[in-house]
Amino acid sequence: QKEVEQNSGPLSVPEGAIASLNCTYSDRGSQSFFWYRQYSGKSPELIMFIYSNGDKEDGRFTAQLNKASQYVSLLIRDSQPSDSATYLCAVNSDRNDYKLSFGAGTTVTVRA
Amino acid sequence: NAGVMQNPRHLVRRRGQEARLRCSPMKGHSHVYWYRQLPEEGLKFMVYLQKENIIDESGMPKERFSAEFPKEGPSILRIQQVVRGDSAAYFCASSPPRTDGIQYFGAGTRLSVL
Repeated sequence: QKEVEQNSGPLSVPEGAIASLNCTYSDRGSQSFFWYRQYSGKSPELIMFIYSNGDKEDGRFTAQLNKASQYVSLLIRDSQPSDSATYLCAVNSDRNDYKLSFGAGTTVTVRA
Repeated sequence: NAGVMQNPRHLVRRRGQEARLRCSPMKGHSHVYWYRQLPEEGLKFMVYLQKENIIDESGMPKERFSAEFPKEGPSILRIQQVVRGDSAAYFCASSPPRTDGIQYFGAGTRLSVL
C-alpha cells in the first residue's frame, strides 16, 4: 500500500467550476498535510497546509482534513485556466516531521 | 529574498560518469532536503541535512549516492557511476529551523543519463 494515494486524473473541469481533489494516507500518526501545485517542468509550489480536522480556506482554495478517515482534500473554486497543473498531496511522517511523503499527483485541466 | 537555487537545471551524463547537483537554500534556512521525482511518480525523500550534518539519509540508495552540506557553500548531491535508472528530476527543498513541516522547493535539476 502506498503511503499517500491520489487519483492520477486527469481531472478536467470547465472554467468557473469547482475542482475537487482527493488524497488518502496510510500513516495514522501523521500530523501535517500539504498541497503543492506543480506546473509542467517546474518546482512544486506550496499552496495550502492544514494541521487540524475541518476546513481551511485561503482565497479560492479550501483544504479539508479528516484524520479519522485519513483523508485530505483540496477544493479549487472558480477554476481558472491558470490552475491547470499537477497537484501534489504531501503528508509528514509521525516520527520525523521533516520527512514528507508525496502522492503521485493529480493533473487538473481547466477548459476555457 | 531569493528562493531555493539549484544548478544546473539540466544535466546530461553518460553511463559511468559522475553527476554533481548543487543546492543553495533560501536565506535564513539551515535545513536542506533532497527529493527525487521519477516520471509518473511522486517525489521520494532521499536525505535531510543541516550544516555539516546528515540527519537522515534513509531514502538514499546505499551505493553511488552521497550528499553533503558544508559549513560554507551549497549542498551537493553526488551520484557516482551514473546508470540510466538515475535519470530523474532531483529537487532540493529548504526550511528554517522551526518549520512545522513546511518546505520550499527549488526548480530542480533534470538529470539525463545516456
